[in-house]
This record gives sequence, C-alpha cells and structure tokens, in this order.
Amino acid sequence: NAGVTQTPKFRVLKTGQSMTLLCAQDMNHEYMYWYRQDPGMGLRLIHYSVGEGTTAKGEVPDGYNVSRLKKQNFLLGLESAAPSQTSVYFCASSYSVTGELFFGEGSRLTVL
Amino acid sequence: AQSVTQPDIHITVSEGASLELRCNYSYGATPYLFWYVQSPGQGLQLLLKYFSGDTLVQGIKGFEAEFKRSQSSFNLRKPSVHWSDAAEYFCAVGARLGSSNTGKLIFGQGTTLQVKP
Repeated sequence: NAGVTQTPKFRVLKTGQSMTLLCAQDMNHEYMYWYRQDPGMGLRLIHYSVGEGTTAKGEVPDGYNVSRLKKQNFLLGLESAAPSQTSVYFCASSYSVTGELFFGEGSRLTVL
Repeated sequence: AQSVTQPDIHITVSEGASLELRCNYSYGATPYLFWYVQSPGQGLQLLLKYFSGDTLVQGIKGFEAEFKRSQSSFNLRKPSVHWSDAAEYFCAVGARLGSSNTGKLIFGQGTTLQVKP
C-alpha cells in the first residue's frame, strides 16, 4: 500500500540551482496538490491539478512550476531556488472534490 | 476569500484530561470542514470531516468535532487525552463551488498539542 510517495525526502540546494520534486500516487486519483509547510503558517497551496494534463495556481505559486503528464505523477519544479523556498513540501491526492486528501510524508528542502 | 483561524498555537494538557482545539473559519456559505493530525516527521492524516447533516461528527482515535454555523466554528474535542495524541492539529476548509469545485483546502496555522504525564 504505497499511497502517495514523494522523492526525494531531503535535499540541500544552493541559491540559483534547480530541482524537481516527484509525487507519485497509486490510487488512481484525479486530483493532486502541492503544499508547502512553514512554521506558524500551516500549509499553503502552491499548485494543483484536477486531472491529467491540467494544472492551476494556488495561493503561493511564484517561483514554482508543475506538470501532470501522467495521471499518477505530479512534478513540482524550482527553476532557480531561493532561500525563501526553504520549506517542507507535501504532495496530496484525492479521488473527488469532496474527498479526503491523502498526503505523502513530505520533502524537506533547504536552500543555502 | 476563505480563511481558517486556529487561535491557539500551543496547548498543553495532562494525560486523561479533556481537550478542545478551536477552529474558526470565514466563508460565505457552508463549507466542507476537516481536521487533520500530523505526527513529527510525518504527513497529515484525516481525523474527521463535515460535509452536511448532523453537526456533531465522530472521527478516528476517539475525536469528535461540532459544526456551529452561528459561530463559524468547528472545534475538535476529545474527552480523555492519551500521550500518543501529542502532535500538531490542523483545521481546514474546502469550498462548495459547484461544477468549478477543485477540492483544494485552505489550512489553519496549526495547534501543537503537548501531553503531560
């Protein structure tokens, strides 16, 4: 029962470097989301997707890009990392607009 | 715009004592409401959810929450706290937007629960 899997779990970047976080779900869910978690701020939505080939901006999309080429995968990219993007990133998926969100275990990113 | 406020950043209770975590939301209609729990180093797990109907909702691990429309609140309760309940708790609201609903949730800032032996 893999559920939602995020890779990598930890990463340290230098300012200006790029990277991609991968989220994979094996539950055939239509809806997928990327959140970032920062102390005292809860979870804030970066981007989301309501189906294969679709993406949309959330609350804090600047500096990030996403792609959903396959239904089971949702990629989050940082083209030029900044220290302000140091955070824990969570991917989540859902089977419907009213359904429970299933979360991955998170990816901790540090930008120096 | 939707928003969620959890007024208590940190709460400490003794094991066996009762617990109430507060959540207030702002939304123009009746929202979907959720409580999630996060243990250290883990993702979030759903405790309970309210969509419609009975305003008192039962969840896992002995938790319950009550939706009070007049107060725009969805407080989480447990009659007797166990040491394993120490974690961070998040309230979340989802919008009812009909055909344009996207399922995305807005989360509160979280409440950290510490349990004293």
